[in-house]
Amino acid sequence: GENVEQHPSTLSVQEGDSAVIKCTYSDSASNYFPWYKQELGKRPQLIIDIRSNVGEKKDQRIAVTLNKTAKHFSLHITETQPEDSAVYFCAASRDGNKLVFGAGTILRVKS
Amino acid sequence: GAVVSQHPSWVICKSGTSVKIECRSLDFQATTMFWYRQFPKQSLMLMATSNEGSKATYEQGVEKDKFLINHASLTLSTLTVTSAHPEDSSFYICSAPWGGGGYTFGSGTRLTVV
Repeated sequence: GENVEQHPSTLSVQEGDSAVIKCTYSDSASNYFPWYKQELGKRPQLIIDIRSNVGEKKDQRIAVTLNKTAKHFSLHITETQPEDSAVYFCAASRDGNKLVFGAGTILRVKS
Repeated sequence: GAVVSQHPSWVICKSGTSVKIECRSLDFQATTMFWYRQFPKQSLMLMATSNEGSKATYEQGVEKDKFLINHASLTLSTLTVTSAHPEDSSFYICSAPWGGGGYTFGSGTRLTVV
């Protein structure tokens, strides 16, 4: 089955700097790759997603890149702000089947 | 659109009792519901997949007799934790794929077994 690995487990950046979180997946048939932000005790909140027919997607300060050949995808946050501090999860799935999550990254933005 | 309502949001129960968690799709038909468990400072781990009108599929290591899943209609899936023990204390959350191509999540249930 699918296995998703996520790095780093914690990331501290200075306010205004960029943050990059990387994930690899094992199932070459996976075709949907979302990124979620989760606050304590809350549901995951989708911040951006990408499908396998696209290599990059951007939404204001957030971007995701996908390398299907290498089976990895990355989240890029530019101009980080203190409110970006949270736990971020990557995930992968195929055709609406089960979503497999990475282990999560705790992002701390220091002001 | 694509809202899943999950109840209760939190529950405290005594060891040995059973607890039922409900997830209702409010504005779409959820033929499939995924049930996850999340321990503190850990990721969401898939427990089982329920499909309307058929038996649930459990992930390896999840006791199907302990975590009973029912998906009797296109709008309701339930998870019952039977004979709960303190180690079952966790955050349980449901998720359903929807026509827009993504997944919608319930708000989660914090279960504490004392």
